[in-house]
Amino acid sequence: DAGVTQSPTHLIKTRGQQVTLRCSPKSGHDTVSWYQQALGQGPQFIFQYYEEEERQRGNFPDRFSGHQFPNYSSELNVNALLLGDSALYLCASSFTGVNEQFFGPGTRLTVL
Amino acid sequence: AQRVTQPEKLLSVFKGAPVELKCNYSYSGSPELFWYVQYSRQRLQLLLRHISRESIKGFTADLNKGETSFHLKKPFAQEEDSAMYYCALSLYSSASKIIFGSGTRLSIRP
Repeated sequence: DAGVTQSPTHLIKTRGQQVTLRCSPKSGHDTVSWYQQALGQGPQFIFQYYEEEERQRGNFPDRFSGHQFPNYSSELNVNALLLGDSALYLCASSFTGVNEQFFGPGTRLTVL
Repeated sequence: AQRVTQPEKLLSVFKGAPVELKCNYSYSGSPELFWYVQYSRQRLQLLLRHISRESIKGFTADLNKGETSFHLKKPFAQEEDSAMYYCALSLYSSASKIIFGSGTRLSIRP
């Protein structure tokens, strides 16, 4: 089991563009959470998906949206990119009923 | 509002010296507290959680509800302990969101 995988590893976009990040959870996990980690900060919770629905959401604007597929993999979409969206985006997976999340390596997004 | 505070951005100690990374939290309910660690060029991983009361790699952390603290301690630091450490909390529910502190970089000097 490769654990949580994310793609791509790096991404460069310009302001106003849209981006899609992908995450495959650890085998056996059914819940995916997304976090944004700005430079020098701890990860901040964006939202969580379970059974293909958004179950919890942090303080992020509607420009941030997501999706979970029947195989539990997930996408994070960000529209109308701003310079401030530049960050490391982390995906974490877990199994419902177990309060432990496993993190992926992250996708580094740079907005120019 | 839920918040996790790690007052030290950087902590530098000599090998063999004791280590204490401070963490304070604010939450009105009964959170679950964690310490996560990120070694150089590795992903974020769970180090320990307060409910398990385990000692991992010689580290321990005791939840003090009166002082709302969850400090991480190790009696004798080793060079391989150099890493970024994040204190975090989540609600006592399954797969709940995690709220992280801003992290402390621990540097062990030889």
